[in-house]
Amino acid sequence: GENVEQHPSTLSVQEGDSAVIKCTYSDSASNYFPWYKQELGKRPQLIIDIRSNVGEKKDQRIAVTLNKTAKHFSLHITETQPEDSAVYFCAASWTRGGNKLVFGAGTILRVKS
Amino acid sequence: DTEVTQTPKHLVMGMTNKKSLKCEQHMGHRAMYWYKQKAKKPPELMFVYSYEKLSINESVPSRFSPECPNSSLLNLHLHALQPEDSALYLCASSRDSFGTGDTSNSPLHFGNGTRLTVT
Repeated sequence: GENVEQHPSTLSVQEGDSAVIKCTYSDSASNYFPWYKQELGKRPQLIIDIRSNVGEKKDQRIAVTLNKTAKHFSLHITETQPEDSAVYFCAASWTRGGNKLVFGAGTILRVKS
Repeated sequence: DTEVTQTPKHLVMGMTNKKSLKCEQHMGHRAMYWYKQKAKKPPELMFVYSYEKLSINESVPSRFSPECPNSSLLNLHLHALQPEDSALYLCASSRDSFGTGDTSNSPLHFGNGTRLTVT
């Protein structure tokens, strides 16, 4: 089945700096790659997603890039703020088993003010 | 505010109890999901319903029994659980499980979850 690896597991940055989280996936048939943010005790919330026919997508301070050849995708957060502190999960949509999302292990992002 | 509503928010049950988790959405989504999430781990898929029919069961033990009475409701019936089943149970919905002609997928909308403790 699909396997998604996510790095780093923890990331500490200074407020105002950029943060980058990277994921790789194993199945070339995967075609949808969302990113979720989960604050402590809360539900995962979609922050951005990208489909396999697009190489890059941006939404204000957040951007995602996708390299289909290398099978990796990345989340970029610029001008980080303390409220960006959370756990971030990448995911890949695996269509061979009936369209299901496979999540990465998560990255704990801490933004220090 | 969340568009996927889960009840109860918290549940404590003994190993011999029978309880049910409930999930409701009114976004017209035709795919609904149950996920289990342990502390500091990603959500793990348990079941997927598409158009009210069970389409994926991730080899979940039979002490968990899903039910989809209609396109807006999803239940998870619990019986004879073990302490290791304690977790956050998340319901989610999406616009379509099988996507469009290019097999693309649509985002999952998660509920706030039910925090289950099995004693």
